[in-house]
Amino acid sequence: NAGVTQTPKFRVLKTGQSMTLLCAQDMNHEYMYWYRQDPGMGLRLIHYSVGEGTTAKGEVPDGYNVSRLKKQNFLLGLESAAPSQTSVYFCASSSTGGRANGYTFGSGTRLTVV
Amino acid sequence: SQQGEEDPQALSIQEGENATMNCSYKTSINNLQWYRQNSGRGLVHLILIRSNEREKHSGRLRVTLDTSKKSSSLLITASRAADTASYFCATDAGSNNDMRFGAGTRLTVKP
Repeated sequence: NAGVTQTPKFRVLKTGQSMTLLCAQDMNHEYMYWYRQDPGMGLRLIHYSVGEGTTAKGEVPDGYNVSRLKKQNFLLGLESAAPSQTSVYFCASSSTGGRANGYTFGSGTRLTVV
Repeated sequence: SQQGEEDPQALSIQEGENATMNCSYKTSINNLQWYRQNSGRGLVHLILIRSNEREKHSGRLRVTLDTSKKSSSLLITASRAADTASYFCATDAGSNNDMRFGAGTRLTVKP
């Protein structure tokens, strides 16, 4: 039972490069989320999805794009990476939006933009 | 923006002692959740308490909720070195079907 799997686990990008982070869940969850975690700031929501084919902006969406073409996958894209996007990125999923039960998190992607 | 704020930011205790962490929040909630994060790992859901509940237990964990004070506490009894982690509270005050997380309490349990 894999739960939520994030790839890659680590990545170093140069400013201006692009990349895609992949999140895959095998729990048939409707809701999926991308958060970033920075020291002293907790987790901040980037984008989220309430079902296959849907996406919506969270608190800090600028510089990121997402897609949810399949229910089990949620992709986070950085079109032109900036040093301010250096962070740890977490994907989470939930069957009911987290308000009735908790989130299941992936183990994170540590991204450094130089 | 963060909804929950944990206090203290860091806590260091000896194995066997109890650890208490607090969370304050600003707006009305339907539920509050606590998560644990071990170093370099993702967050793990520990317990959920609803706004009409005052106390909840799960093993060595005890969570209380005081909606009049907009605060919650997480008590870990008889702590172990393996409890060393960061603990986050999260509330459902987000407007995006999401949970809002605080910055966490870093707990160190010394053997």
